[in-house]
Amino acid sequence: DAGVTQSPTHLIKTRGQQVTLRCSPKSGHDTVSWYQQALGQGPQFIFQYYEEEERQRGNFPDRFSGHQFPNYSSELNVNALLLGDSALYLCASSFYGTSGSSYNEQFFGPGTRLTVL
Amino acid sequence: QQQVKQSPQSLIVQKGGISIINCAYENTAFDYFPWYQQFPGKGPALLIAIRPDVSEKKEGRFTISFNKSAKQFSLHIMDSQPGDSATYFCAAGVLYGGATNKLIFGTGTLLAVQP
Repeated sequence: DAGVTQSPTHLIKTRGQQVTLRCSPKSGHDTVSWYQQALGQGPQFIFQYYEEEERQRGNFPDRFSGHQFPNYSSELNVNALLLGDSALYLCASSFYGTSGSSYNEQFFGPGTRLTVL
Repeated sequence: QQQVKQSPQSLIVQKGGISIINCAYENTAFDYFPWYQQFPGKGPALLIAIRPDVSEKKEGRFTISFNKSAKQFSLHIMDSQPGDSATYFCAAGVLYGGATNKLIFGTGTLLAVQP
């Protein structure tokens, strides 16, 4: 059973360019969340997708956008890249189900390291 | 109110010792508190999580202690091993209709277990 997968592993872009990162959730999961982790910091929530819609958004500008596909995979798009966008971008998947004994934990992928020059 | 404060920033423990990491939160709406372990170049891996209806949860060498009135929770790693050397993050979130909503992470604790 594959866990959360992300591609590419590493990416180098220049300021002003646009980038697309991809995520495939863990088998059986239907919800995808994206986080940005700057060096030496904890992950910061960007947004969450469920049923192909953005359900919640963190404090990130509109340059950050996303999409979820019918197979639950997701993309994160960042336009007009800034130097400060350099970070590890993490995708986490979870299952939207009834609460109970399950905490519907978020499982993280290995991340995409984005470097903006 | 959305912050989760984590301490210490770094921790050195001898092999076999107990590692203790503390977190505090303000938002009483939080009802889900996971701990993640992260190795360099990897994504965070879920270690253990707790809901506020219990005061303690143990899984192997890892224990979460939760104090709802003080709005604090901590991770205890018993019999710490060199392989436990990693960065540990506490987090807090709200279960929304059964699904975990966004997680607010602490700033991380770099643990080094000396052999």
